[in-house]
Amino acid sequence: LAKTTQPISMDSYEGQEVNITCSHNNIATNDYITWYQQFPSQGPRFIIQGYKTKVTNEVASLFIPADRKSSTLSLPRVSLSDTAVYYCLVGDTKAAGNKLTFGGGTRVLVKP
Amino acid sequence: DVKVTQSSRYLVKRTGEKVFLECVQDMDHENMFWYRQDPGLGLRLIYFSYDVKMKEKGDIPEGYSVSREKKERFSLILESASTNQTSMYLCASSFGGPRRNEQFFGPGTRLTVL
Repeated sequence: LAKTTQPISMDSYEGQEVNITCSHNNIATNDYITWYQQFPSQGPRFIIQGYKTKVTNEVASLFIPADRKSSTLSLPRVSLSDTAVYYCLVGDTKAAGNKLTFGGGTRVLVKP
Repeated sequence: DVKVTQSSRYLVKRTGEKVFLECVQDMDHENMFWYRQDPGLGLRLIYFSYDVKMKEKGDIPEGYSVSREKKERFSLILESASTNQTSMYLCASSFGGPRRNEQFFGPGTRLTVL
C-alpha cells in the first residue's frame, strides 16, 4: 500500500506561489499521482495528474522527481479563493481498490 | 460537465436502521467509489466498483455493503446503522484504466446516526 503523507497546513499571501509536497515512498511503478482541491461542504475537485517529470495546466503545475517518491503541487500567484484543502492521491492502475490512497490533506490559507 | 449526484445532502437516522445512500453519474463512467470523510482522518475508501455488478472492498468496508445494478448508479448500504457511522459520505466516478484516478465527486451526504 502506497502510504501518502503531506503537511497538515500552510499559510500564504495573495500573489505568492504555494508549493505543497506529498511523499509516497512506496509508490508502485505504474501509479499515477493526482491532486484535488476541496472547499467546505463540497466534494473534492480534480486539479492535475501526472506520472513523471512536470505537468502544467491552467490551474497548477505538478513536479515529480525521477524517483517518483514525492510530488509537488505548485499554485502560482494564489488568491483568496484558493483557500482550501488540497489532497494528493496515489493509485494503482491494476485496479486494486485498496491501493487508492488519499493523503491526509493540506489546509492552505491565503491571507490578504 | 460531469455530474455526480447524491440522493440527500443531509440525513438523520436512528441506531439499527437500514440506510441507503444513492449515487448517480451521467458520464458513462466505468468506475464508481464510496468514501467517508471524517475530521483528522481525511478521505477513506469504503468500496468501489469497476463494472456493473462488480465490487471491491476498500480500506474500511466493515458495516457497509454496496450495490451496482446499473452502470450509472452505485448504492451504499448501512445494514444496521451505528453512531460511529456518523460521517460525511462522498461518491465519485471515473473512467477506467489510466484515467481511474481522475475522479469526479458528488456534493456529499452528511449522515447523522442517533
